[in-house]
Amino acid sequence: DSGVTQTPKHLITATGQRVTLRCSPRSGDLSVYWYQQSLDQGLQFLIQYYNGEERAKGNILERFSAQQFPDLHSELNLSSLELGDSALYFCASSRTVNYGYTFGSGTRLTVV
Amino acid sequence: GQQVMQIPQYQHVQEGEDFTTYCNSSTTLSNIQWYKQRPGGHPVFLIQLVKSGEVKKQKRLTFQFGEAKKNSSLHITATQTTDVGTYFCAGIGGFGNEKLTFGTGTRLTIIP
Repeated sequence: DSGVTQTPKHLITATGQRVTLRCSPRSGDLSVYWYQQSLDQGLQFLIQYYNGEERAKGNILERFSAQQFPDLHSELNLSSLELGDSALYFCASSRTVNYGYTFGSGTRLTVV
Repeated sequence: GQQVMQIPQYQHVQEGEDFTTYCNSSTTLSNIQWYKQRPGGHPVFLIQLVKSGEVKKQKRLTFQFGEAKKNSSLHITATQTTDVGTYFCAGIGGFGNEKLTFGTGTRLTIIP
């Protein structure tokens, strides 16, 4: 157990639907990051939050949005889902922006 | 935007042989991090290098950061079956850039 909790672990949904992925960071970590990993692909940065505020944005689609709540947990919302959105979505956290990230186990999203 | 490439993409080695993966960034990095992702698992932070020319060792693993802070390498001596996985480098760009960009990864397979 890395200390970063992601739910759900698996999600199967139909095209056009909307889903919410949840992440609880490791205790004491203020930064939360979301990454997308497609089959046999690398890790694509989506978005970063620090203590509730958005700090950096990657190539995140307009159909995707995220937020970090006062208790520091974060949610990634994916809407109007397409087949190509099927991937592993990882959340990671860190105490500062310049040190190693602790990753959660990921949410495997399958869009059918 | 910042790009981080790794070579080789795949590497198959006999158990006991050495292994090296190389990482190259299109821009100067403030630091470089290395992660290992076991098959079916999540990325796990291994180490961070910050200084130009820095070399760090962890048992059989040796990490180097280039003098120009644009390249890095990971060398594993006498590989074991437990070394199987994908090794990612990840870099944070210069001042004001907090985004951790992951390399394309090198998948290591060990032949017993």
